[in-house]
Amino acid sequence: AQTVTQSQPEMSVQEAETVTLSCTYDTSESDYYLFWYKQPPSRQMILVIRQEAYKQQNATENRFSVNFQKAAKSFSLKISDSQLGDAAMYFCAQNTGNQFYFGTGTSLTVIP
Amino acid sequence: DAGVIQSPRHEVTEMGQEVTLRCKPISGHNSLFWYRQTMMRGLELLIYFNNNVPIDDSGMPEDRFSAKMPNASFSTLKIQPSEPRDSAVYFCASSLEGRRFQPQHFGDGTRLSIL
Repeated sequence: AQTVTQSQPEMSVQEAETVTLSCTYDTSESDYYLFWYKQPPSRQMILVIRQEAYKQQNATENRFSVNFQKAAKSFSLKISDSQLGDAAMYFCAQNTGNQFYFGTGTSLTVIP
Repeated sequence: DAGVIQSPRHEVTEMGQEVTLRCKPISGHNSLFWYRQTMMRGLELLIYFNNNVPIDDSGMPEDRFSAKMPNASFSTLKIQPSEPRDSAVYFCASSLEGRRFQPQHFGDGTRLSIL
């Protein structure tokens, strides 16, 4: 069975600092995608970044980057220069075929 | 380019009433997903459609829940009769299957409260 685990229910970071959110997953597939979604209080689900499993290079989107360790089945999200607007729930997700599997989320607080 | 559109945004109704949630996917997308989000259980996939056909409804909690997709631009999720434990945020998402591993695009959700 596919599972996605986010072991940090809550995290906090000082504004302008860097924070890393953890995600591990379990799959027997060799070909898949990984995603991080952000859900602010407005409850909209916003795609932050995605990583293709067959690419070794870590994806980067402005202040957001991932550390993808395929052998360890780990996919962490690093947010640099944290801003107040980054405060949200963050979900890790794995996609195989047309099936999506979501983690339980990490609530990120940004301290001014 | 309009995103996924869900209605209503909020719904408050009494136990036993029928509830219908609506979703319009992004034009051109051929896969549609219904999710339920609660504090206790997180984000759960209820059902997904591909080309208007239900592919996997194993997440539908029980017979009180039903979903339809009569055409490529509209889907409904119906709960009849509703119960307080159905209170949650219900999301609809769409994607374009066929293009490799496309992300899902979510609507703003419907917050459902059953009294």
